[in-house]
Amino acid sequence: EPEVTQTPSHQVTQMGQEVILRCVPISNHLYFYWYRQILGQKVEFLVSFYNNEISEKSEIFDDQFSVERPDGSNFTLKIRSTKLEDSAMYFCASSVYEGVSTEAFFGQGTRLTVV
Amino acid sequence: GDSVTQMEGPVTLSEEAFLTINCTYTATGYPSLFWYVQYPGEGLQLLLKATKADDKGSNKGFEATYRKETTSFHLEKGSVQVSDSAVYFCALSDHNSGNTPLVFGKGTRLSVIA
Repeated sequence: EPEVTQTPSHQVTQMGQEVILRCVPISNHLYFYWYRQILGQKVEFLVSFYNNEISEKSEIFDDQFSVERPDGSNFTLKIRSTKLEDSAMYFCASSVYEGVSTEAFFGQGTRLTVV
Repeated sequence: GDSVTQMEGPVTLSEEAFLTINCTYTATGYPSLFWYVQYPGEGLQLLLKATKADDKGSNKGFEATYRKETTSFHLEKGSVQVSDSAVYFCALSDHNSGNTPLVFGKGTRLSVIA
């Protein structure tokens, strides 16, 4: 069964460093998403991506963050100058198309720990 | 803005017990409602959904009914199994607000003991 895969499963980084979280969406999907969950808090939407550009982003997704689809398979989230409060589980998701009842398929998450 | 509130966990039940996980929502438009489940070490998986009032979503013995009058989408299962142990997330997607990305609740951890 097709699945969204994320690497690494756990990333530890020092404050101020840059990290890149990687995702391989399901191959025939067109819409890609990043969400995050700070420990004990809600899963929050960060950004959606379609046709090689950002289609929507939340207030959380400021200049510190960027996304890219560098080739036909990978979808990456870059976080520059990491802060302690960036520590969270980051989920990648993809869907065939965008719509209120469309099922989004999620990866298993990358746990980012900023020390 | 849109929001989802679900009951705090963790919830611990014996096998074959009845499960209810409460979920209420606030939305400006006419949202679709979802339950996602996360098994240990895995990603979020769609469990069931309902796209309009009075719709009932069901899957793997779980059910939830979209109640517009009470703005609720409570998850139920008549007889839980150890394999149901997971974290359950209620979520909505609100078309009329132009915000199709999912809005999640905090999640409720369920532990089922034999």
